[in-house]
Amino acid sequence: GIQVEQSPPDLILQEGANSTLRCNFSDSVNNLQWFHQNPWGQLINLFYIPSGTKQNGRLSATTVATERYSLLYISSSQTTDSGVYFCAGETSGSRLTFGEGTQLTVNP
Amino acid sequence: DGGITQSPKYLFRKEGQNVTLSCEQNLNHDAMYWYRQDPGQGLRLIYYSQIVNDFQKGDIAEGYSVSREKKESFPLTVTSAQKNPTAFYLCASSRISGTVNNEQFFGPGTRLTVL
Repeated sequence: GIQVEQSPPDLILQEGANSTLRCNFSDSVNNLQWFHQNPWGQLINLFYIPSGTKQNGRLSATTVATERYSLLYISSSQTTDSGVYFCAGETSGSRLTFGEGTQLTVNP
Repeated sequence: DGGITQSPKYLFRKEGQNVTLSCEQNLNHDAMYWYRQDPGQGLRLIYYSQIVNDFQKGDIAEGYSVSREKKESFPLTVTSAQKNPTAFYLCASSRISGTVNNEQFFGPGTRLTVL
């Protein structure tokens, strides 16, 4: 199966700062998703982005499929953005493979 | 409300007992999945099913069993053969377009603790 690497593993920001989270894949993917896991464990869908760029409010994501990476941008971060961010990729065979996550802490 | 429900939210079991986790979806999704998450780690796939009465092993299927008798239901049984069952279990579902599974959506999870 594919390998998914996320960086950085931990990130601490002051409220209002911007950040970029990265996801690298060892092989091409058909499907790529970004999630935010809240303190109760619920996985919140952020983006379904096999390629290209999407924006949703203060969050945006870009996937460069030919170079096997995706970026998640968080602008003007808020304390409620804290939590773990996961990316996951699917190759043929219908299996999502998750990275280890980025633990984001936004301090007031 | 459309969505994915899992029950119970918390589950405690004694060593040597089998336990079944429930997952139901009313999104009319074809595919359903079970994942396991250990503290500080990502999710790992246990089993998945793309059609009723059919399912495939994921990366860590040993000690688990599933059934898919109805499109909307995909229960997971954690058997006594699972050596370290204490974990957070997440169920997901997705539509299927051709040979590609679409965006996966997740339930709220079940925290299983073996005493």
